[in-house]
Amino acid sequence: AQKITQTQPGMFVQEKEAVTLDCTYDTSDPSYGLFWYKQPSSGEMIFLIYQGSYDQQNATEGRYSLNFQKARKSANLVISASQLGDSAMYFCAMREFNYGGATNKLIFGTGTLLAVQP
Amino acid sequence: NAGVTQTPKFQVLKTGQSMTLQCAQDMNHNSMYWYRQDPGMGLRLIYYSASEGTTDKGEVPNGYNVSRLNKREFSLRLESAAPSQTSVYFCASSDSSSGTQGEKLFFGSGTQLSVL
Repeated sequence: AQKITQTQPGMFVQEKEAVTLDCTYDTSDPSYGLFWYKQPSSGEMIFLIYQGSYDQQNATEGRYSLNFQKARKSANLVISASQLGDSAMYFCAMREFNYGGATNKLIFGTGTLLAVQP
Repeated sequence: NAGVTQTPKFQVLKTGQSMTLQCAQDMNHNSMYWYRQDPGMGLRLIYYSASEGTTDKGEVPNGYNVSRLNKREFSLRLESAAPSQTSVYFCASSDSSSGTQGEKLFFGSGTQLSVL
């Protein structure tokens, strides 16, 4: 069964510094996708970045990058040049790709609360 | 663009009462989902509907029922609410027609439910 683990309940980072949020996963499926979502205090879920299990390069989206280490089953989110608006809860999620097309469930980790300090 | 719309935004129930959370999406997505979010637990999948006419259980389906009314709408029903169902509920949708692993979920703004 697929599983997502985020071991950091909370983190602090100074404004303008980089921060890494950890995510490890467990799956027996060779084909899967990894996602990161941001949830600010207003509550909405905002998609940040996606990495496919067969992608050769690490995904990047602006200040967000995903440090994908397939052998270690980790998919850490790196936020460069942190801003005060980055303060939020961050969730890692995974979808196994079922070739039968019968399922496309996205399973989430427990989240990491990031606080950016001025 | 409305995206995914959930109603109500807030609800207080007494133990044993029933209610239905409504969700509608205007993106022509095939798949729809209901999650609940509890402190320290992340988002847990309650039910999902891979396509119109189908529904499947997620991680925590007990105490809930769902209806995929049509392609746009996916409702979640609590038949007899319990305090353990106090949570924030999110509806989401995704376009699964391409069958790619990269399809992302679009979320509604959530419903904060308290069961007393």
